[in-house]
Amino acid sequence: GESVGLHLPTLSVQEGDNSIINCAYSNSASDYFIWYKQESGKGPQFIIDIRSNMDKRQGQRVTVLLNKTVKHLSLQIAATQPGDSAVYFCAENPLYNQGGKLIFGQGTELSVKP
Amino acid sequence: DAMVIQNPRYQVTQFGKPVTLSCSQTLNHNVMYWYQQKSSQAPKLLFHYYDKDFNNEADTPDNFQSRRPNTSFCFLDIRSPGLGDAAMYLCATSRTGRTDTQYFGPGTRLTVL
Repeated sequence: GESVGLHLPTLSVQEGDNSIINCAYSNSASDYFIWYKQESGKGPQFIIDIRSNMDKRQGQRVTVLLNKTVKHLSLQIAATQPGDSAVYFCAENPLYNQGGKLIFGQGTELSVKP
Repeated sequence: DAMVIQNPRYQVTQFGKPVTLSCSQTLNHNVMYWYQQKSSQAPKLLFHYYDKDFNNEADTPDNFQSRRPNTSFCFLDIRSPGLGDAAMYLCATSRTGRTDTQYFGPGTRLTVL
């Protein structure tokens, strides 16, 4: 079936380095994508979103890139900090999901080494 | 300021004993969702309300029910919890649904003894 998947389940980076978390999606009907950060024992926290009419969107220290040609989504975190350690989920919302059902990727655990 | 509030944060129940989890929101959003999340897995949608319209996912067991008495509150009822129902239960809201951001609450961790 259609799914959103991540290439790397775990990512370890040095504090201060940039992090890149990748996500592949297979549903060409998806036109809205979200990245969530989930710390241990907490609910997912919205980081940034992007619509399919864009290929790049920037937030504070984060950038999301969307490549519709290869159905790829990435989250870039600049100057990674220990507080960025968490599991990161990408999620997509296909056009046929009228109710807003999100299809989540498997998650990538980011570990930041001091 | 908390926007999506879940109570309790931790709930312990016995096998087969009904339990209700609560969610409230201060965002005045039309849509409210309930997700189940097990360890090291992505959230799995159980059902959602668009205003008063209930939308159940096809694979959600009958053991799970929901109520939305008004815009602000939504409840998850587990009629006869089994050991396999131990999980984090997440409530989320969005303004109108499909292309609006979903905002999650902190979750309720359910333990079944």
